[in-house]
Amino acid sequence: DGGITQSPKYLFRKEGQNVTLSCEQNLNHDAMYWYRQDPGQGLRLIYYSQIVNDFQKGDIAEGYSVSREKKESFPLTVTSAQKNPTAFYLCASSFRGHYGYTFGSGTRLTVV
Amino acid sequence: GQQLNQSPQSMFIQEGEDVSMNCTSSSIFNTWLWYKQEPGEGPVLLIALYKAGELTSNGRLTAQFGITRKDSFLNISASIPSDVGIYFCAGQLRTGTASKLTFGTGTRLQVTL
Repeated sequence: DGGITQSPKYLFRKEGQNVTLSCEQNLNHDAMYWYRQDPGQGLRLIYYSQIVNDFQKGDIAEGYSVSREKKESFPLTVTSAQKNPTAFYLCASSFRGHYGYTFGSGTRLTVV
Repeated sequence: GQQLNQSPQSMFIQEGEDVSMNCTSSSIFNTWLWYKQEPGEGPVLLIALYKAGELTSNGRLTAQFGITRKDSFLNISASIPSDVGIYFCAGQLRTGTASKLTFGTGTRLQVTL
């Protein structure tokens, strides 16, 4: 079955450490997105990529980095520069220019 | 970055009641979408609207694309316990091939028996 997979489901990180969240899709979607979700604030766009080897900053890119070396994969690195990284992170994908985002089931990151 | 304003922020209703929620924006959109998120999961698309004034149904759900293109409404009739979750509106303004979604702040729905 086609879908979008995020791993791990839960992640704990010590302050000062970088951590990478995985996102893989087998839907043949061109575009991929990373959102951050905090209670009461909805979904905020971190980074997005329309094609391989290209990506753009979203509204809250500071302290995050991404890569898009393969169409199927769009990993997100939360760096030590991110001041408040504890949140629920959602990855999504879509055909380019299409409204139909498919979301993964999310990764809950907690800084300890 | 812009976020859409959704209201109410939360709702506590009894099973069988109808529910209404809305979403407003300071900008116009070409497409309005409504998603539902259950605890610990990603949002799932419920309804998509493409034209101003459009009214679309999906089972007990009905959504409308506002005439001004700056708002949208979602109604749920005869609520049941599995309707519990967070409902998000999302607007899309397509510019060329870009199609970023802007999400609302969410309406949390609780249904009591």
